Amino acid sequence: SQQGEEDPQALSIQEGENATMNCSYKTSINNLQWYRQNSGRGLVHLILIRSNEREKHSGRLRVTLDTSKKSSSLLITASRAADTASYFCATDAMGGSGGSNYKLTFGKGTLLTVNP
Amino acid sequence: DGGITQSPKYLFRKEGQNVTLSCEQNLNHDAMYWYRQDPGQGLRLIYYSQIVNDFQKGDIAEGYSVSREKKESFPLTVTSAQKNPTAFYLCASRRRSLETQYFGPGTRLLVL
Repeated sequence: SQQGEEDPQALSIQEGENATMNCSYKTSINNLQWYRQNSGRGLVHLILIRSNEREKHSGRLRVTLDTSKKSSSLLITASRAADTASYFCATDAMGGSGGSNYKLTFGKGTLLTVNP
Repeated sequence: DGGITQSPKYLFRKEGQNVTLSCEQNLNHDAMYWYRQDPGQGLRLIYYSQIVNDFQKGDIAEGYSVSREKKESFPLTVTSAQKNPTAFYLCASRRRSLETQYFGPGTRLLVL
């Protein structure tokens, strides 16, 4: 089942602009993670935000989480051509003991194209 | 070099044939996962294993089988019962104490 749904499906911007991607999900989560995938490659973990956090930063990345709306956003500032990739959100649903249930559910991703 | 390796990079299957995809990790991770990715789609979980000699079905296990005889290895067999096997297959692993997953480079399976 696809819990996370990213929006938009595709985004094209110019180098130097900011890129914002959104993710919505359906059930209670332990944490939400963002991954990046270059074409034909494996995924690379970018950032994790826990259910009790509202905002997190890592370099040019800023993630927000609104558990009341069951949504998250990923902002990439001052984008570069090398940021061109697909970006996926993944939810770690709440397990029986309140922690991770060891599985991630991925959305369909946002394809970001940064034009030089 | 620590990491996850998948082989082969490309695999061709004939009708009615079983094929096995290899996944090996030297990260000493406890859990391992197999995902399927179709073009323009997200990842769907096929099987996962939290410990050696134990594994659970994911969302799309039909037509696939796995084994976990060693901590480092989690091979996936695509059986002849899987009628639409053409996809990109990704293996991942994680440490029990951390929630993030580490991915291999993937195997692209094509049907002849």
